Amino acid sequence: AQSVSQHNHHVILSEAASLELGCNYSYGGTVNLFWYVQYPGQHLQLLLKYFSGDPLVKGIKGFEAEFIKSKFSFNLRKPSVQWSDTAEYFCAVNSKTSYDKVIFGPGTSLSVIP
Amino acid sequence: DAGVTQSPTHLIKTRGQQVTLRCSPKSGHDTVSWYQQALGQGPQFIFQYYEEEERQRGNFPDRFSGHQFPNYSSELNVNALLLGDSALYLCASSLRDRALGYTFGSGTRLTVV
Repeated sequence: AQSVSQHNHHVILSEAASLELGCNYSYGGTVNLFWYVQYPGQHLQLLLKYFSGDPLVKGIKGFEAEFIKSKFSFNLRKPSVQWSDTAEYFCAVNSKTSYDKVIFGPGTSLSVIP
Repeated sequence: DAGVTQSPTHLIKTRGQQVTLRCSPKSGHDTVSWYQQALGQGPQFIFQYYEEEERQRGNFPDRFSGHQFPNYSSELNVNALLLGDSALYLCASSLRDRALGYTFGSGTRLTVV
């Protein structure tokens, strides 16, 4: 079955700490990968996406993610977090071979302490 | 501004009632997908509409139905509401070419009592 798992339910970091959020997927065939962010009280926004090419993808606000095909992983990283990064982060995937629905992971809640 | 407009923002219904939620996609988008997001969970895919037809459906009962209009706007209908239907309902619009990703609305918070 198609699924996305995220390693941590809740992460608490101090400002300036480095961030890595884990994501693994189970999906047949080639895939597109996404990270979405939901700031408190706001709508889901696309943080970054991977379709093909360089497996290291850079997104908005200094975030990046690395696609490791052999590990079915798409981990999100940021070298130095800010209080404003406090949000819910969702990894998502869909099939590249058809106009397929996007499957979301359960989310990781990030709290950054000033 | 999300670009995707959903109405209403909040709704309280009684168990057994029916509800209709509405979505206007981002200008230029032709595909609408609906998701259910329970508290503390990721969005769960309900169905997707393109060219006024349901193209894909997630693991939701027939009580959940939808419609897409010629102007690409969409409705989500839920019949015979259950307490477990209480959730945030999200509408996402996109172009048939998925390369641009989804644009989400702010959602409709449905509470069933």
